[in-house]
Amino acid sequence: DIQMTQSPSSLSASVGDRVTITCRANQSIDIYLNWYQQRPGKAPKLLIYAASSLQSGVPSRFSGSGSGTDFTLTISTVQPEDFATYYCQQTYSTPLTFGGGTKVEIK
Amino acid sequence: QVQLVESGGGLVKPGGSLRLSCAASGFTFSGYYMSWIRQAPGKGLEWVSYISGSGSTIYNSDSVRGRFTISRDNAKNSLYLQMETLRAEDTAMYYCVRVDDFWSGRKFDYWGQGTLVIVSS
Repeated sequence: DIQMTQSPSSLSASVGDRVTITCRANQSIDIYLNWYQQRPGKAPKLLIYAASSLQSGVPSRFSGSGSGTDFTLTISTVQPEDFATYYCQQTYSTPLTFGGGTKVEIK
Repeated sequence: QVQLVESGGGLVKPGGSLRLSCAASGFTFSGYYMSWIRQAPGKGLEWVSYISGSGSTIYNSDSVRGRFTISRDNAKNSLYLQMETLRAEDTAMYYCVRVDDFWSGRKFDYWGQGTLVIVSS
């Protein structure tokens, strides 16, 4: 199984900060990497697919990069509604696996 | 608009069975792979299973293989998860998810609100 490791597991940020979350796979997954946002009590929401493609309707302050084993999700200017937990997911091979999540909290 | 509405969750004893349903609308259901993803209380996301648009191809995680069966009825625009021999560790919110671009990346682009399964004596 492909293991996905996210870091950090949590972070504190102020509105307007730039936030970067990393996700590492234990083998190459090409660009088969998605990012999701999950607010408390809600279903996850797709933000980024294929490592760097912005899902329709998602604000442009979200961006993704990377290929192979190392990936990054960046929020250029954090807004109040961005405080949530973020997950990466590899879709390269089954079983599909998720990172452990990164909780973004208000400083 | 795309809507996915799960139902069928509840409290069940260890060893028991449950059938989850997901009613889909707003898109051509038979044209998409569909998936179940679960989340234990306070934990991360775990992929459970997915099924092709025709229902002919199925993939399962090791943790549910032999106990859970995914299926679909395209005439009813519905997805199902038959869960047998339930264990405490199956306690989770179960999400029905549409999978777009299956052969070019697999976007899990629409999620239902989830249905909660609690396995406890």
